[in-house]
Amino acid sequence: AQKVTQAQTEISVVEKEDVTLDCVYETRDTTYYLFWYKQPPSGELVFLIRRNSFDEQNEISGRYSWNFQKSTSSFNFTITASQVVDSAVYFCALSEGANSKLTFGKGITLSVRP
Amino acid sequence: DAGITQSPRHKVTETGTPVTLRCHQTENHRYMYWYRQDPGHGLRLIHYSYGVKDTDKGEVSDGYSVSRSKTEDFLLTLESATSSQTSVYFCAISESLRGGSSTDTQYFGPGTRLTVL
Repeated sequence: AQKVTQAQTEISVVEKEDVTLDCVYETRDTTYYLFWYKQPPSGELVFLIRRNSFDEQNEISGRYSWNFQKSTSSFNFTITASQVVDSAVYFCALSEGANSKLTFGKGITLSVRP
Repeated sequence: DAGITQSPRHKVTETGTPVTLRCHQTENHRYMYWYRQDPGHGLRLIHYSYGVKDTDKGEVSDGYSVSRSKTEDFLLTLESATSSQTSVYFCAISESLRGGSSTDTQYFGPGTRLTVL
């Protein structure tokens, strides 16, 4: 069975600090997909990134970067120079096999203080 | 933004009453999903659909049923609501890639907050 662990539950930083959100996953499949979603205080779920198991290249998108390491089954998310608007709950999720059923971690609440 | 709407957005009901939540999409995507979100649990899959009249159970399906008679609509029914079903319910959609399996990204609706008294 697949499992996603987000060991950090709450993180608080001051604006402009860098912050890394950890995600560790478990799966028996060789083909799988990893995702990060953001849930701001308004409640909607916003897709951030999708990465397949065959692509271990790190990805950078503006202030966001993702580090995928199959050797440690981790898919960590770093926000550089955090801003108040980054305050949200961040979910890591795993999908394997057909039908794309997602298994979510419990989420990390990030608070960025001015 | 993906064209996904959920109705109602908020509902308060009493224990034992039936409740139906609706998810409507304008994207013509094959796959639709219902999740519930509870503090400390993240999101958990209730049921999903891989086509009209094709549905299957998720992780927390007890007490819920679903129906999909049209591509665009996916209904979630609580036959007899209980207080443990108080939650925020999210619908999601995804497209299917070559070969019929869906490994595409799921996009979520705005959610329905359900309170069962």
